[in-house]
Amino acid sequence: DAMVIQNPRYQVTQFGKPVTLSCSQTLNHNVMYWYQQKSSQAPKLLFHYYDKDFNNEADTPDNFQSRRPNTSFCFLDIRSPGLGDAAMYLCATSRGLPSTDTQYFGPGTRLTVL
Amino acid sequence: SQQGEEDPQALSIQEGENATMNCSYKTSINNLQWYRQNSGRGLVHLILIRSNEREKHSGRLRVTLDTSKKSSSLLITASRAADTASYFCATVYSSNTGKLIFGQGTTLQVKP
Repeated sequence: DAMVIQNPRYQVTQFGKPVTLSCSQTLNHNVMYWYQQKSSQAPKLLFHYYDKDFNNEADTPDNFQSRRPNTSFCFLDIRSPGLGDAAMYLCATSRGLPSTDTQYFGPGTRLTVL
Repeated sequence: SQQGEEDPQALSIQEGENATMNCSYKTSINNLQWYRQNSGRGLVHLILIRSNEREKHSGRLRVTLDTSKKSSSLLITASRAADTASYFCATVYSSNTGKLIFGQGTTLQVKP
């Protein structure tokens, strides 16, 4: 089945230790998104790629970066995780922009920072 | 902030009853979408309603949109225990069609 896959489902890291979360998709969608969702809060968009074009949200901390080496994969790099970065990180894809197409979400990666 | 508001924050009903959740937003929209999130999981898209539409149905789900009041509602009829989840409305504003902005969500509990 075509889907959005996130690995790992649970990630534990230490304060300040770089961590990478991965997302892959078999939908062949043009757009890939990364959201941060803290407990009992709304998902918050960090950035998205439209094909190879990277779009960063203005309020996304510099600590967060992303790579999309090909259509299928997208990575979220947190350079120096702080306690406040503990959250669920959701990857999503869509064929086009939200004005025309819905988003398909992966199951998320729950990040714990010790 | 363009984030809309959802009401109520939490809702608890018995199986078989109807559940209604409301969403208000700030400015002119391109479309409004509803998503469901089971505990600790990703979001699942339910319905997309465009600014020129007033009502859409999908199975037991009915979504209405009132652009004059800048509000939308999601009705789940004949609820089931499996409907227990958080429900989020998300708006695509006309001023920024590249972004989906989620509301805070309504947590629905359906008791068997």
